[in-house]
Amino acid sequence: GAGVSQTPSNKVTEKGKYVELRCDPISGHTALYWYRQSLGQGPEFLIYFQGTGAADDSGLPNDRFFAVRPEGSVSTLKIQRTERGDSAVYLCASSFSATRDRGSGANVLTFGAGSRLTVL
Amino acid sequence: DAKTTQPPSMDCAEGRAANLPCNHSTISGNEYVYWYRQIHSQGPQYIIHGLKNNETNEMASLIITEDRKSSTLILPHATLRDTAVYYCIVRGFLYGQNFVFGPGTRLSVLP
Repeated sequence: GAGVSQTPSNKVTEKGKYVELRCDPISGHTALYWYRQSLGQGPEFLIYFQGTGAADDSGLPNDRFFAVRPEGSVSTLKIQRTERGDSAVYLCASSFSATRDRGSGANVLTFGAGSRLTVL
Repeated sequence: DAKTTQPPSMDCAEGRAANLPCNHSTISGNEYVYWYRQIHSQGPQYIIHGLKNNETNEMASLIITEDRKSSTLILPHATLRDTAVYYCIVRGFLYGQNFVFGPGTRLSVLP
């Protein structure tokens, strides 16, 4: 696609529910990143994929959070037993590559507009 | 943790140059300096990046000091639409390194 697409744009759920957030990266981009952003803060890294595998998931806050990218394109961020503290904007970004920039710009991230999650 | 330090906020008059500083005193030889900005309610947008030479594109210029411990993003003629939070990030191209955002600088362009 022309850009990074995230759905839904807004999600309101109740505490304890399960939520899935979807990211459709730019076609041909092998690297995909998830961030979350609370009001007034910079984006906080969660996880990134190079292809189908999670290259770094050190930012996932706990085991309620999980992300998959089974075919190396679309990714889904899954949050179990949501808590009010999970309320944030969840941002997805993709880049041509995560490892072979060498100054070419291949690592430049293109972000989606985000999915705003509100847990009541 | 972010490897950069930026002032929390700055003002700039419309039409004047906006100079946004960034300190990255622990930068290593394989790390690039990237700048992104985030306009309210949008995802971050890439501006420019560089290793050690100064860089310029249609959006901005990036000046990196010779010791690479600091840099300045320059918006040559700021407009009201440049009001945003600007993030300076250092990131290497070795496997496993990712983009770590700090709180950034909130630039307000004033009419």
